[in-house]
Amino acid sequence: GQSLEQPSEVTAVEGAIVQINCTYQTSGFYGLSWYQQHDGGAPTFLSYNALDGLEETGRFSSFLSRSDSYGYLLLQELQMKDSASYFCAVGNAGNMLTFGGGTRLMVKP
Amino acid sequence: DAGVIQSPRHEVTEMGQEVTLRCKPISGHDYLFWYRQTMMRGLELLIYFNNNVPIDDSGMPEDRFSAKMPNASFSTLKIQPSEPRDSAVYFCASSLATGGWNQPQHFGDGTRLSIL
Repeated sequence: GQSLEQPSEVTAVEGAIVQINCTYQTSGFYGLSWYQQHDGGAPTFLSYNALDGLEETGRFSSFLSRSDSYGYLLLQELQMKDSASYFCAVGNAGNMLTFGGGTRLMVKP
Repeated sequence: DAGVIQSPRHEVTEMGQEVTLRCKPISGHDYLFWYRQTMMRGLELLIYFNNNVPIDDSGMPEDRFSAKMPNASFSTLKIQPSEPRDSAVYFCASSLATGGWNQPQHFGDGTRLSIL
C-alpha cells in the first residue's frame, strides 16, 4: 500500500520562506507531485519530481530524494494568496496518484 | 481551452435517492479519475479509466457506487441509494497518457454533495 506523511498545518509571514515536507512509503514509484488547493477550490498542479534533485518554478521549488523516500515543497517570498492547502502525491503506473492528507498554509501579514 | 467540466456544482438530496454526477474531461486526455474529498478521509481515488476502460475501481466504497465512461468525452458517477455518509466533494480529473512519467492531473471544480 501507499502512505504519505506531511504536516497538517504551517504558519508563516508574508515575504518569508516556508518548507513543507513529505515522507512516503510506496511501491511502483513514478514520482512525487505537489498540488495546491484554495478553500472551496479544486486541486491544481504545482510541480513534479521523478528524479532526485531540485525543480524550480518561479517562487516555488520542489525537491526529491528517492533513497530517503522524502521530498519537500519550498515556497519563497510568501504572499497572502499562497494561503491554501498543499498536497504531496505519490504517482505510479497508470498515472494513479495517492495523495497525502494535505498541509494547510496560513500566511500572515 | 476548456478545462474539466463537472455538473452539477451542488446537489442536495434526501437519503435513499439516486445521485448522478457528470464529468466532461479535457479533449484528448486519455485518463479520467474520480475522487472524493472529505475532512476525515482527505482526497481519495475512487476509480480511474484509461481510454474509456475502467482500470482500477478498488477505491469505490460499496456496491452502491458505480461509474461509467461511455465515450471519451463523458463519464458518470452514480450513487444508488445515497446515504448521509456519502456527503462530500466529488472531483473528476483528467490527464494525458504517461509514457512512464506522471502527467499533471487537471481537476474540475467539483460537485458538493449533501445527503440529508
